[in-house]
Amino acid sequence: AQRVTQPEKLLSVFKGAPVELKCNYSYSGSPELFWYVQYSRQRLQLLLRHISRESIKGFTADLNKGETSFHLKKPFAQEEDSAMYYCALSQYNTDKLIFGTGTRLQVFP
Amino acid sequence: DAGITQSPRHKVTETGTPVTLRCHQTENHRYMYWYRQDPGHGLRLIHYSYGVKDTDKGEVSDGYSVSRSKTEDFLLTLESATSSQTSVYFCATREGTDTQYFGPGTRLTVL
Repeated sequence: AQRVTQPEKLLSVFKGAPVELKCNYSYSGSPELFWYVQYSRQRLQLLLRHISRESIKGFTADLNKGETSFHLKKPFAQEEDSAMYYCALSQYNTDKLIFGTGTRLQVFP
Repeated sequence: DAGITQSPRHKVTETGTPVTLRCHQTENHRYMYWYRQDPGHGLRLIHYSYGVKDTDKGEVSDGYSVSRSKTEDFLLTLESATSSQTSVYFCATREGTDTQYFGPGTRLTVL
C-alpha cells in the first residue's frame, strides 16, 4: 500500500542550525512528492514539489528513489520557519494526495 | 489562496445532530477535496469530487456524505455527528496537474 512516513513528530533546533525533516514513502510506481507547510493558524500551502527542483525560502528536497526518501533540508534555520511540515505523495495519474503525519519544527532564538 | 473559503470557521454541536460544512471556490477548479486533520494522523482524505455530481470516497469516509451540485460549492455533511468527528476540516481544490490549494479550515467540536 502507498504510504508516507514522517518519523519525527517534533524537531527542535536553534536559529542558524541546519535542519533536515525526514520523509520516506512506499509506492511501486513513479510518485510525485510534495512538501506542504502550515504556519500557526494558517492554511496549508505548498512549499515545494520534486518535479520543479526549486528552492523555496532556502528549503530544498531531493527525491532519492533508491532510499525512497524525500527529505526536506535547510542549511540555516530561521525562527520564522517554525511551523508544521507535511510530506505528501501523489500517485501517478490519480487525483489524490497521501499525506504523512507531519513534523512540527520549532526554531529557538 | 485560489479563492477558497469555508463556512462556518468554527462550530460546536452536540452528538447526534446533523452538520453541514461548506467549501466555496471562485477559481473554477475541477477537483475538490475534504480532509480532516488530527494530531498523530496528519491529513486524511474523506471524500473528493472530480466534477459536478461526480464524487468518490476517500480513506475515512464512514459517517460522512458530500454533494456537489455546482462547480464552486462542495458540501460535507455529517448526518449524525459523533465525538470522534471532532476535528479540523480542510477543503482543497485542484485544476489539471497543478497542486492542491487549501481553504482556511473549519474547527468542529462535537460534545
